[in-house]
Amino acid sequence: GESVGLHLPTLSVQEGDNSIINCAYSNSASDYFIWYKQESGKGPQFIIDIRSNMDKRQGQRVTVLLNKTVKHLSLQIAATQPGDSAVYFCAEIKAAGNKLTFGGGTRVLVKP
Amino acid sequence: ETGVTQSPTHLIKTRGQQVTLRCSSQSGHNTVSWYQQALGQGPQFIFQYYREEENGRGNFPPRFSGLQFPNYSSELNVNALELDDSALYLCASSMGQDPYEQYFGPGTRLTVT
Repeated sequence: GESVGLHLPTLSVQEGDNSIINCAYSNSASDYFIWYKQESGKGPQFIIDIRSNMDKRQGQRVTVLLNKTVKHLSLQIAATQPGDSAVYFCAEIKAAGNKLTFGGGTRVLVKP
Repeated sequence: ETGVTQSPTHLIKTRGQQVTLRCSSQSGHNTVSWYQQALGQGPQFIFQYYREEENGRGNFPPRFSGLQFPNYSSELNVNALELDDSALYLCASSMGQDPYEQYFGPGTRLTVT
């Protein structure tokens, strides 16, 4: 399949452990943030989103934390599974904007 | 419900040539956004088409152009190809101009030699 990125930061995690992926954003006018998962040969897939008026949001096995003071976003994956192996991107949207601005991505490798 | 599809999946072109990439939006969606993803990087916004009109453009030269058809499918055209145009081209469809719920296709891998 297609390789999404050969030179991305990589997080190796043992199956069953929790993963934490970090993202710094630059635009203080951004009011909406999304985490995407991109598997080899596929387009980005929505995982979870958060608005700027929140600091935490939970989904199924995933939690997103937003720290607007330091412009930092994180994605926590609980009980990481082999199917979680992928490249993860954060994306931001400016208020009233119509485009996604993506960060650089992190590759997650789950070791059995 | 039909997802976003793109064609072709892979393409090899020579520098200076022109290329057309195609995207069929998800059923019920009237907006298509195009992104360029270079190897090892996140996708970069090229432009968006809403109801057949360009509705916002990223930092790409005019040789990147597009169309949207009455059935909301879309084309991305790139003229005078350069080596740096080699990338994965993604389209994403959504309902309306807001980017909050964009659904991505699998992409077209373009290689310029």
